[in-house]
Amino acid sequence: QVQLVESGGGVVQPGGSLRLSCAASGFTFSSYGMHWVRQAPGKGLEWVTFVRYDGSNDYYADSVKGRFTISRDNSKNTLYLQMNSLRVEDTGVYYCAKNGRSAWGPIDHWGQGTLVTVSS
Amino acid sequence: DIQMTQSPSSLSASVGDRVTITCRASQDIHNYLVWIQQKPGQAPKSLIFAASSLQSGVPSKFSGSGYGTDFTLTISNLQPEDFATYYCHQYKSLPLTFGGGSKVEIK
Repeated sequence: QVQLVESGGGVVQPGGSLRLSCAASGFTFSSYGMHWVRQAPGKGLEWVTFVRYDGSNDYYADSVKGRFTISRDNSKNTLYLQMNSLRVEDTGVYYCAKNGRSAWGPIDHWGQGTLVTVSS
Repeated sequence: DIQMTQSPSSLSASVGDRVTITCRASQDIHNYLVWIQQKPGQAPKSLIFAASSLQSGVPSKFSGSGYGTDFTLTISNLQPEDFATYYCHQYKSLPLTFGGGSKVEIK
């Protein structure tokens, strides 16, 4: 079965950096696009970024453009999110999510999430 | 960006009830819609894609309908494990956008 396991969350000061990882198993990772979606405490879901199955194209929410970078290593079945210049409003649980196809499309599976706290 | 509006934002229902949640898109999204369930403290779980197709393993008590801008999620014979927050998301275009959520609580 599909498994997505995030890691790398923690507490960081405003302006700091953090790198999240998502280890994927149970499906052919290199055939599917992948997303990061976040959820601020007590709030709804917010799409952050998407990368195509082969890493050839990536897309970002305006709120993170220029600060966050999504990447993937298909040889390691791992998705990454490099987060720089972090702000207090970036605080929340970050979910790795599998796309239903190679280009963007429906999210069909979610990881358990990793908590990022940006605070001084 | 495509705006997704859900209603109601919360509702109270009893075990055995049938409930309906609606999601409206700010523009035509064909049937590019997913329904998601999230229980407190847990990760989201996708239930339905393409507006009406059940994800593998999701019970048939969940059903979705709609096309264009108006969509509904219906849950039949509500059970204790169904009390959760439900979200919709569109995938017609990026950025993916989500509805604000509909919390189903026990009456």
